[in-house]
Amino acid sequence: GNSVTQMEGPVTLSEEAFLTINCTYTATGYPSLFWYVQYPGEGLQLLLKATKADDKGSNKGFEATYRKETTSFHLEKGSVQVSDSAVYFCALSDEPRGAGSYQLTFGKGTKLSVIP
Amino acid sequence: DTEVTQTPKHLVMGMTNKKSLKCEQHMGHRAMYWYKQKAKKPPELMFVYSYEKLSINESVPSRFSPECPNSSLLNLHLHALQPEDSALYLCASSQDGRLAGVGYEQYFGPGTRLTVT
Repeated sequence: GNSVTQMEGPVTLSEEAFLTINCTYTATGYPSLFWYVQYPGEGLQLLLKATKADDKGSNKGFEATYRKETTSFHLEKGSVQVSDSAVYFCALSDEPRGAGSYQLTFGKGTKLSVIP
Repeated sequence: DTEVTQTPKHLVMGMTNKKSLKCEQHMGHRAMYWYKQKAKKPPELMFVYSYEKLSINESVPSRFSPECPNSSLLNLHLHALQPEDSALYLCASSQDGRLAGVGYEQYFGPGTRLTVT
Protein backbone atom coordinates (compact mmCIF):
# COMPACT_ATOMS: atom_id res chain seq x y z
CA GLY A 1 0.00 0.00 0.00
CA ASN A 2 0.89 3.66 -0.16
CA SER A 3 2.55 5.52 2.69
CA VAL A 4 4.06 8.92 3.42
CA THR A 5 6.74 9.59 5.99
CA GLN A 6 7.55 13.13 7.07
CA MET A 7 9.57 14.60 9.90
CA GLU A 8 7.14 15.09 12.76
CA GLY A 9 8.68 18.03 14.53
CA PRO A 10 7.75 20.26 16.11
CA VAL A 11 10.09 22.56 14.23
CA THR A 12 10.90 25.94 15.73
CA LEU A 13 12.73 28.54 13.62
CA SER A 14 13.60 32.17 13.90
CA GLU A 15 12.12 34.58 11.38
CA GLU A 16 14.05 34.65 8.08
CA ALA A 17 15.60 31.22 8.70
CA PHE A 18 15.72 28.53 6.00
CA LEU A 19 13.08 25.81 6.21
CA THR A 20 13.26 22.19 5.11
CA ILE A 21 10.61 19.62 5.96
CA ASN A 22 11.51 16.17 4.70
CA CYS A 23 8.95 13.92 3.06
CA THR A 24 9.44 10.49 1.53
CA TYR A 25 6.83 8.21 0.07
CA THR A 26 6.08 4.64 -0.93
CA ALA A 27 3.63 4.07 -3.75
CA THR A 28 2.78 1.25 -6.11
CA GLY A 29 1.97 3.48 -9.07
CA TYR A 30 2.95 6.96 -10.25
CA PRO A 31 1.50 9.27 -7.64
CA SER A 32 0.80 12.96 -7.63
CA LEU A 33 2.40 14.65 -4.62
CA PHE A 34 1.09 17.52 -2.52
CA TRP A 35 1.87 19.76 0.39
CA TYR A 36 -1.10 20.99 2.39
CA VAL A 37 -0.94 23.61 5.15
CA GLN A 38 -3.30 23.91 8.10
CA TYR A 39 -3.33 27.14 10.09
CA PRO A 40 -4.66 27.01 13.66
CA GLY A 41 -8.41 26.49 13.76
CA GLU A 42 -8.75 26.13 9.99
CA GLY A 43 -9.11 23.49 7.29
CA LEU A 44 -6.38 22.28 4.97
CA GLN A 45 -5.17 24.48 2.13
CA LEU A 46 -3.36 23.15 -0.89
CA LEU A 47 0.09 24.75 -0.81
CA LEU A 48 1.68 23.17 -3.88
CA LYS A 49 1.65 20.06 -6.01
CA ALA A 50 3.69 18.06 -8.52
CA THR A 51 2.28 15.43 -10.82
CA LYS A 52 5.34 13.80 -12.37
CA ALA A 53 9.02 13.16 -11.77
CA ASP A 54 11.26 16.27 -11.72
CA ASP A 55 8.28 18.62 -11.51
CA LYS A 56 8.79 21.51 -9.12
CA GLY A 57 5.77 22.85 -7.30
CA SER A 58 5.96 26.35 -5.88
CA ASN A 59 3.69 28.83 -4.10
CA LYS A 60 4.13 31.71 -1.64
CA GLY A 61 7.92 31.20 -1.57
CA PHE A 62 7.64 27.48 -0.81
CA GLU A 63 9.07 24.90 -3.21
CA ALA A 64 9.20 21.13 -3.50
CA THR A 65 10.64 18.92 -6.26
CA TYR A 66 9.28 15.47 -7.13
CA ARG A 67 12.30 13.16 -6.93
CA LYS A 68 11.40 9.71 -8.20
CA GLU A 69 14.88 8.28 -7.69
CA THR A 70 14.82 9.07 -3.97
CA THR A 71 11.00 8.92 -3.63
CA SER A 72 11.06 12.30 -1.93
CA PHE A 73 9.18 15.59 -2.01
CA HIS A 74 10.92 17.85 0.52
CA LEU A 75 9.37 21.23 1.29
CA GLU A 76 11.70 24.27 1.37
CA LYS A 77 11.44 27.99 1.94
CA GLY A 78 14.35 30.37 1.91
CA SER A 79 13.12 32.82 4.55
CA VAL A 80 10.23 31.94 6.85
CA GLN A 81 7.88 34.45 8.44
CA VAL A 82 5.87 34.34 11.64
CA SER A 83 2.76 33.98 9.47
CA ASP A 84 4.10 30.63 8.17
CA SER A 85 3.48 29.06 11.59
CA ALA A 86 1.16 26.14 10.86
CA VAL A 87 1.01 22.37 10.45
CA TYR A 88 2.28 21.07 7.11
CA PHE A 89 1.08 17.77 5.64
CA CYS A 90 2.77 15.90 2.82
CA ALA A 91 0.34 13.75 0.81
CA LEU A 92 0.13 11.58 -2.27
CA SER A 93 -2.68 10.46 -4.51
CA ASP A 94 -2.72 7.66 -7.02
CA GLU A 95 -5.35 5.11 -6.09
CA PRO A 96 -8.71 5.43 -7.79
CA ARG A 97 -11.47 4.97 -5.25
CA GLY A 98 -14.53 5.10 -7.41
CA ALA A 99 -15.50 6.90 -10.58
CA GLY A 100 -13.13 9.84 -10.77
CA SER A 101 -12.32 10.06 -7.06
CA TYR A 102 -8.88 9.49 -5.60
CA GLN A 103 -7.65 8.75 -2.11
CA LEU A 104 -5.15 11.01 -0.41
CA THR A 105 -2.53 9.34 1.79
CA PHE A 106 -1.22 11.82 4.36
CA GLY A 107 1.93 12.02 6.39
CA LYS A 108 1.51 12.64 10.10
CA GLY A 109 2.08 16.37 9.80
CA THR A 110 4.86 18.71 10.90
CA LYS A 111 4.12 21.62 13.20
CA LEU A 112 6.18 24.69 12.37
CA SER A 113 6.54 27.58 14.80
CA VAL A 114 8.36 30.72 13.64
CA ILE A 115 9.46 33.13 16.35
CA PRO A 116 10.24 36.82 15.77
CA ASP B 1 -12.78 30.05 -7.34
CA THR B 2 -11.53 27.12 -5.26
CA GLU B 3 -13.83 27.55 -2.29
CA VAL B 4 -15.55 24.84 -0.31
CA THR B 5 -17.89 26.14 2.38
CA GLN B 6 -19.04 24.32 5.50
CA THR B 7 -21.70 25.11 8.08
CA PRO B 8 -21.86 25.41 10.98
CA LYS B 9 -18.34 26.38 12.01
CA HIS B 10 -18.87 25.07 15.54
CA LEU B 11 -21.43 22.60 16.89
CA VAL B 12 -22.06 21.34 20.40
CA MET B 13 -24.52 18.50 20.74
CA GLY B 14 -25.65 16.02 23.31
CA MET B 15 -25.51 12.30 22.82
CA THR B 16 -29.25 12.09 22.11
CA ASN B 17 -29.40 14.95 19.62
CA LYS B 18 -29.77 14.82 15.85
CA LYS B 19 -27.85 17.39 13.84
CA SER B 20 -26.49 17.84 10.32
CA LEU B 21 -23.29 19.24 8.85
CA LYS B 22 -23.42 20.90 5.44
CA CYS B 23 -20.86 21.33 2.72
CA GLU B 24 -21.12 23.17 -0.60
CA GLN B 25 -18.86 23.70 -3.61
CA HIS B 26 -19.43 25.46 -6.91
CA MET B 27 -16.34 24.32 -8.76
CA GLY B 28 -18.14 21.68 -10.79
CA HIS B 29 -16.33 18.92 -8.92
CA ARG B 30 -18.00 15.51 -9.11
CA ALA B 31 -16.19 13.85 -6.20
CA MET B 32 -16.86 14.94 -2.62
CA TYR B 33 -15.37 13.63 0.61
CA TRP B 34 -15.96 13.66 4.36
CA TYR B 35 -12.96 13.46 6.70
CA LYS B 36 -12.62 13.35 10.47
CA GLN B 37 -9.58 14.98 12.06
CA LYS B 38 -8.56 14.56 15.66
CA ALA B 39 -6.11 16.95 17.29
CA LYS B 40 -2.50 16.63 16.10
CA LYS B 41 -3.44 13.96 13.54
CA PRO B 42 -3.90 13.95 9.78
CA PRO B 43 -7.44 13.75 8.37
CA GLU B 44 -9.04 10.28 8.22
CA LEU B 45 -11.28 9.50 5.27
CA MET B 46 -14.90 8.65 6.17
CA PHE B 47 -16.97 8.74 2.97
CA VAL B 48 -16.55 9.41 -0.74
CA TYR B 49 -19.28 10.41 -3.19
CA SER B 50 -18.64 10.18 -6.92
CA TYR B 51 -21.26 11.66 -9.24
CA GLU B 52 -23.69 11.87 -6.31
CA LYS B 53 -23.38 8.18 -5.48
CA LEU B 54 -21.73 6.84 -2.35
CA SER B 55 -18.64 5.03 -3.56
CA ILE B 56 -16.64 4.59 -0.37
CA ASN B 57 -17.65 4.08 3.27
CA GLU B 58 -14.55 3.51 5.37
CA SER B 59 -16.38 1.35 7.93
CA VAL B 60 -17.89 4.37 9.60
CA PRO B 61 -20.46 3.71 12.39
CA SER B 62 -24.08 4.08 11.33
CA ARG B 63 -24.57 7.04 13.69
CA PHE B 64 -22.94 9.00 10.82
CA SER B 65 -25.14 9.14 7.73
CA PRO B 66 -23.96 10.94 4.59
CA GLU B 67 -26.19 12.38 1.90
CA CYS B 68 -25.49 14.02 -1.45
CA PRO B 69 -28.65 15.86 -2.58
CA ASN B 70 -27.01 17.23 -5.75
CA SER B 71 -23.61 17.71 -7.32
CA SER B 72 -22.84 20.82 -5.24
CA LEU B 73 -24.04 19.75 -1.80
CA LEU B 74 -22.93 17.19 0.73
CA ASN B 75 -24.50 16.60 4.14
CA LEU B 76 -23.46 14.54 7.12
CA HIS B 77 -26.32 13.59 9.44
CA LEU B 78 -25.38 12.89 13.03
CA HIS B 79 -27.40 10.90 15.57
CA ALA B 80 -26.61 9.38 18.95
CA LEU B 81 -22.96 10.37 18.84
CA GLN B 82 -20.41 9.52 21.48
CA PRO B 83 -17.95 11.90 23.18
CA GLU B 84 -15.10 10.26 21.24
CA ASP B 85 -16.73 11.54 18.03
CA SER B 86 -15.69 15.06 19.02
CA ALA B 87 -13.36 16.24 16.27
CA LEU B 88 -12.95 18.58 13.30
CA TYR B 89 -15.05 17.36 10.37
CA LEU B 90 -13.69 18.37 7.00
CA CYS B 91 -15.37 18.30 3.62
CA ALA B 92 -13.35 18.21 0.40
CA SER B 93 -14.01 18.04 -3.31
CA SER B 94 -12.02 17.19 -6.43
CA GLN B 95 -12.37 17.06 -10.17
CA ASP B 96 -12.92 13.78 -11.95
CA GLY B 97 -9.38 12.41 -11.87
CA ARG B 98 -9.81 10.66 -15.18
CA LEU B 99 -9.78 13.98 -17.03
CA ALA B 100 -6.53 14.84 -18.76
CA GLY B 101 -4.24 17.23 -16.94
CA VAL B 102 -5.83 16.83 -13.53
CA GLY B 103 -3.47 16.43 -10.58
CA TYR B 104 -6.05 14.76 -8.35
CA GLU B 105 -5.83 17.48 -5.71
CA GLN B 106 -8.62 17.87 -3.22
CA TYR B 107 -9.88 21.23 -2.01
CA PHE B 108 -10.90 21.38 1.62
CA GLY B 109 -13.43 23.45 3.47
CA PRO B 110 -12.71 25.19 6.78
CA GLY B 111 -14.31 22.39 8.78
CA THR B 112 -16.92 22.04 11.52
CA ARG B 113 -15.59 21.76 15.05
CA LEU B 114 -17.91 19.24 16.72
CA THR B 115 -18.12 18.73 20.47
CA VAL B 116 -20.27 15.91 21.83
CA THR B 117 -21.25 16.30 25.48
